[in-house]
Amino acid sequence: AQSVTQLGSHVSVSEGALVLLRCNYSSSVPPYLFWYVQYPNQGLQLLLKYTTGATLVKGINGFEAEFKKSETSFHLTKPSAHMSDAAEYFCAVRRENNAGKSTFGDGTTLTVKP
Amino acid sequence: DAGVTQSPTHLIKTRGQQVTLRCSPKSGHDTVSWYQQALGQGPQFIFQYYEEEERQRGNFPDRFSGHQFPNYSSELNVNALLLGDSALYLCASSHPGTGSHEQFFGPGTRLTVL
Repeated sequence: AQSVTQLGSHVSVSEGALVLLRCNYSSSVPPYLFWYVQYPNQGLQLLLKYTTGATLVKGINGFEAEFKKSETSFHLTKPSAHMSDAAEYFCAVRRENNAGKSTFGDGTTLTVKP
Repeated sequence: DAGVTQSPTHLIKTRGQQVTLRCSPKSGHDTVSWYQQALGQGPQFIFQYYEEEERQRGNFPDRFSGHQFPNYSSELNVNALLLGDSALYLCASSHPGTGSHEQFFGPGTRLTVL
């Protein structure tokens, strides 16, 4: 079975500050890992993904994440927060050979203060 | 490309009623998955359809059923609605056969059960 834990249901940062959203996963097989963003009353938009290869992955809107197998972590970072980054962020894990089923964390709400 | 579309956007039902939600996958995608996202939680996998058959199922009762049509569109049916079925229902499409690892999500249908 796979599971995802997002540490901190709410994170608040000042505009221009570093954004760090934490994600730890549990998987019995090498995982595929994803970060999604959800704005109010909208669906999920993919920010970035790790499948194989380079463990530091870059995504849209200046976000990046690093896969650390030894720590079973996939934390999301952005050097400088913008007001438009305020949203709900979800980390998800999926098996390599199972494109249809993802397991999500409970999400982290990011607030950006002016 | 219209992406993944879902209808209706919002729906209000009363306990005991039945509901049908619809999803059209992204052009070229043949696999459709449904997720339930309760307020304040991450999406939970309901089931996946491929080649008009249910291929995987999450931990949801038989009241939740689905269908996939030859054009790859899909329906989610929920019978005997309970208050706890109130949630955002997300449809996601993918095409594993191309080697793509990404699921594309629709905007969701907000179901309210009174």
